[in-house]
Amino acid sequence: DTGVSQNPRHKITKRGQNVTFRCDPISEHNRLYWYRQTLGQGPEFLTYFQNEAQLEKSRLLSDRFSAERPKGSFSTLEIQRTEQGDSAMYLCATRARQGNYNEQFFGPGTRLTVL
Amino acid sequence: QKEVEQNSGPLSVPEGAIASLNCTYSDRGSQSFFWYRQYSGKSPELIMFIYSNGDKEDGRFTAQLNKASQYVSLLIRDSQPSDSATYLCAVNTGNQFYFGTGTSLTVIP
Repeated sequence: DTGVSQNPRHKITKRGQNVTFRCDPISEHNRLYWYRQTLGQGPEFLTYFQNEAQLEKSRLLSDRFSAERPKGSFSTLEIQRTEQGDSAMYLCATRARQGNYNEQFFGPGTRLTVL
Repeated sequence: QKEVEQNSGPLSVPEGAIASLNCTYSDRGSQSFFWYRQYSGKSPELIMFIYSNGDKEDGRFTAQLNKASQYVSLLIRDSQPSDSATYLCAVNTGNQFYFGTGTSLTVIP
């Protein structure tokens, strides 16, 4: 257990529905990342927060995806009007406050299945 | 060209042997390099990181970095069946981490 928690762990939804995932970081980590991972691939960067500011967002991320990190604590990732291609593992990772050489630690992930 | 490339494998080694995993990256400005282990259905687990040229050892694991060749490797000595997993190479450039597709390792008892 890395100290990063994600909820729910599994989500099954029908195409067209909205879903929201939550990530609770290690308390002293101010940097937070969201990734998507499909079978046979490595994690793909979605977005990055430093405290409450969303500093980077993948150009691959469609307008149906939005992320927030109010008050720089937990973060949520919302997918609107889900499509079957959104089925994947959604991973949250957090990183310590300072330094370019700090590792990031992953939560257990949320597995999304869109029917 | 992908930012990070790994041989997808599968790589099979007998128990007790040395497993060698390789990774190349494209951005010369990359600052730090990470190896993660991922069991099926689980999230990546950090094994080691390295940011200076040369070798870094931690128990049975040795990471090697050659920035001139843009090459990172991971050696696993005395491989155990519990080492069977997918190994992900990750490269940190600025605020982003780029992952390879992973190498599947099977250690045969």
